[in-house]
Amino acid sequence: QQQVKQSPQSLIVQKGGISIINCAYENTAFDYFPWYQQFPGKGPALLIAIRPDVSEKKEGRFTISFNKSAKQFSLHIMDSQPGDSATYFCAASRPSGNTPLVFGKGTRLSVIA
Amino acid sequence: DGGITQSPKYLFRKEGQNVTLSCEQNLNHDAMYWYRQDPGQGLRLIYYSQIVNDFQKGDIAEGYSVSREKKESFPLTVTSAQKNPTAFYLCATRTGHEKLFFGSGTQLSVL
Repeated sequence: QQQVKQSPQSLIVQKGGISIINCAYENTAFDYFPWYQQFPGKGPALLIAIRPDVSEKKEGRFTISFNKSAKQFSLHIMDSQPGDSATYFCAASRPSGNTPLVFGKGTRLSVIA
Repeated sequence: DGGITQSPKYLFRKEGQNVTLSCEQNLNHDAMYWYRQDPGQGLRLIYYSQIVNDFQKGDIAEGYSVSREKKESFPLTVTSAQKNPTAFYLCATRTGHEKLFFGSGTQLSVL
């Protein structure tokens, strides 16, 4: 019930292509779904987040698609660049104060020229 | 990672030794968290604290201890009972329900 399953574990994309990372959850009480980006040797940083009352959120080249009935959400990176090469984590949270986020296991993205 | 300071950046532990990782924040956030990161394992929660003088175990608390005597500080001690301590340790803070802020991490290795 508390798990968030993330796929793929690693991804190689050509420069200019679309990177897609998927996550699935089981707990229908989750109401906040963020994506974090982490560069080697650094802490993760919030990239973009969505609530289940919308099906899509876009910020620049980054888009979250959310499917409430399927309990799935995904990150799309349009026009992928070598600078996007990083590890991406999806997460989910319940609406109860500072209850810890539940993280997926991460996807290592490599964008090659 | 502005506002969250983790130190040291690199730490080496000898067999049987306890070591303490520091986490200090000036964001005035109530909640603080410790995560362990191993390659391919994602972020695993060790301990968290929602208010001063209170903390809860996470998923992998065995071999670790924490204290929360001040709002600004949440140190993590890796005890000799933790037999596989080599990992990247991340401290994080949060206020309310949403954004989690991470420090820059401490890499702990065993000599």
